[in-house]
Amino acid sequence: TQLLEQSPQFLSIQEGENLTVYCNSSSVFSSLQWYRQEPGEGPVLLVTVVTGGEVKKLKRLTFQFGDARKDSSLHITAAQPGDTGLYLCIGAGGTSYGKLTFGQGTILTVHP
Amino acid sequence: EAQVTQNPRYLITVTGKKLTVTCSQNMNHEYMSWYRQDPGLGLRQIYYSMNVEVTDKGDVPEGYKVSRKEKRNFPLILESPSPNQTSLYFCASSFGRQGYTTQYFGPGTRLLVL
Repeated sequence: TQLLEQSPQFLSIQEGENLTVYCNSSSVFSSLQWYRQEPGEGPVLLVTVVTGGEVKKLKRLTFQFGDARKDSSLHITAAQPGDTGLYLCIGAGGTSYGKLTFGQGTILTVHP
Repeated sequence: EAQVTQNPRYLITVTGKKLTVTCSQNMNHEYMSWYRQDPGLGLRQIYYSMNVEVTDKGDVPEGYKVSRKEKRNFPLILESPSPNQTSLYFCASSFGRQGYTTQYFGPGTRLLVL
């Protein structure tokens, strides 16, 4: 069974602080997706990374895919209360064709 | 509007009473999947389908059945629900057969089994 270890599980910070969420695995993935989920709704895609070493930016969010395509990180600069939510990483294209691998999720709370 | 719909959104039932949660997508996606989300455990894949009449087990398939008779629909069936199936369920679809592309999630179905 493939695992995608996501950390930290909980993060409570003040507005303006920076933070990083990690997803690590011993498996290689063809792609890794980051989603954000608000209470009462389904997850919504933020970004997909597919190339080892790839870095993608989405305003204050920076996503990185490890060189070996086994790990990824999400860095938020100057967090705002609107960033509050559940962040999920999902790996695709591991050893099981068609099966996705999920991180446990990070619940982020940004206090004004 | 491109979307994934699930029904019902909320369901309270009793142990052993068969139920079906419907899922439909209007994006002509090949890949569809069901997940359950539980506190501390994150999202876990129940079943997925890469095409019509093709379904495969995810990580937690026990106690669930699915079918994919049409491309747009992917119902989740609980033949004999038990309290440990109380959870928040999401259906999702994506373009392509392997689920590598953007997963579009439905709004969720909150199930309580008494």
